Amino acid sequence: DSGVTQTPKHLITATGQRVTLRCSPRSGDLSVYWYQQSLDQGLQFLIQYYNGEERAKGNILERFSAQQFPDLHSELNLSSLELGDSALYFCASSVTVYSGNTIYFGEGSWLTVV
Amino acid sequence: QQQVKQSPQSLIVQKGGISIINCAYENTAFDYFPWYQQFPGKGPALLIAIRPDVSEKKEGRFTISFNKSAKQFSLHIMDSQPGDSATYFCAAVVTSGSRLTFGEGTQLTVNP
Repeated sequence: DSGVTQTPKHLITATGQRVTLRCSPRSGDLSVYWYQQSLDQGLQFLIQYYNGEERAKGNILERFSAQQFPDLHSELNLSSLELGDSALYFCASSVTVYSGNTIYFGEGSWLTVV
Repeated sequence: QQQVKQSPQSLIVQKGGISIINCAYENTAFDYFPWYQQFPGKGPALLIAIRPDVSEKKEGRFTISFNKSAKQFSLHIMDSQPGDSATYFCAAVVTSGSRLTFGEGTQLTVNP
């Protein structure tokens, strides 16, 4: 158990809908990362928050947004969902803002868009 | 642009054999190279990592070999066990930055 908690574990929704994925980082970790894992794109960095502030942005679509709350949990919002958004979404956390330190991944949220 | 290339895509070895996974990178700014192990239904977990100032790092049965001039690094799993069957990802990062760039992954199967 990495200590990173993600909910829900599985989610099936229709095209055009909006979903929210939730992440609780490890105790004491200030940095939260979101990654998308799909068969054709592999593991792709989406976005990072550090202590409530957006720190870095990767290949995140404009239909997607995220935030980190004062209690350090984070949410990834996916809207106007398309079939191609079906993927495994991972949250990860680390103590510092720099990912050269150990990053701990959650078990992921499986999103299926039908 | 895929900045870390990983091969092979899949690998089957016999118990007790050596598993070798290779990665190559393009960005010379990368200065930290971790390997992650992922079991089905789980998130990636850090296995072993190396910085470019050393050519080899060994932890138990796992060894990273690093060739800075060739911009290549590899994971060697000695005495491979069925419990090592998993997907392995190499990654690279600029430690002053925030994002891990992952290779495509290698699905390792160790037959008993």
